[in-house]
Amino acid sequence: EVQVLESGGGLVQPGWSLRLSCAASGFTFSNFAMTWVRQAPGKGLEWVSAISIHVDRTYYADSVKGRFTISRDNSKSTLYLQMYSLRAEDTALYYCAKCGSNGCHGVDYWGQGTLVTVSS
Amino acid sequence: QSALTQPASVSGSPGQSITISCTGTSSDVGAYNYVSWYQQHPGKAPKLMIYDVTNRPSGVLNRFSGSKSGNTASLTISGLQAEDEADYYCSSFTSSNTWVFGGGTKLTVL
Repeated sequence: EVQVLESGGGLVQPGWSLRLSCAASGFTFSNFAMTWVRQAPGKGLEWVSAISIHVDRTYYADSVKGRFTISRDNSKSTLYLQMYSLRAEDTALYYCAKCGSNGCHGVDYWGQGTLVTVSS
Repeated sequence: QSALTQPASVSGSPGQSITISCTGTSSDVGAYNYVSWYQQHPGKAPKLMIYDVTNRPSGVLNRFSGSKSGNTASLTISGLQAEDEADYYCSSFTSSNTWVFGGGTKLTVL
């Protein structure tokens, strides 16, 4: 069974950093692109970042470019999102998700999310 | 990276068909056949319903179908059932090598 399990969320102050992790199982992690999608409380989905099976190909939304870094450790089947200079508007439930066989044009398995709250 | 435009809400009675539109631009929806649709029930993670405009993942019922014309994609749900009541989001790949979601549509089954 495919599973992705996020961790690392919490309450931080504006300007602080936080690293999210996503442990994957039930599929060959190194064969699939992965992505992060967030959802602010009561709001819609917002795509954040994606990484190809090749760790040098990373993609970011304009809202997080230069502040967030996505990475993966295929040996540990783990996806990461390093977040710097956090802002109040980054407050959201962060979903880790597995991209389909055609890339992130169809995201086929989602975790339950980890909540990040940025507040003083 | 402006969000795709979806109606805030749609409704229908059991057994009826409804269509949710998703309007983008020639840099996203109109440029690629990479539109996907997600269903999200309250408090749950999103679920992939349609990818590459028209394709259904294994396990998704054929009551759900997708299409596209120009810069607008559509999700049609036929034979509406109570369990279809949820939020629906479209997504598209963009010419900036990013992805963008629509604002979401709340489907109410009357």
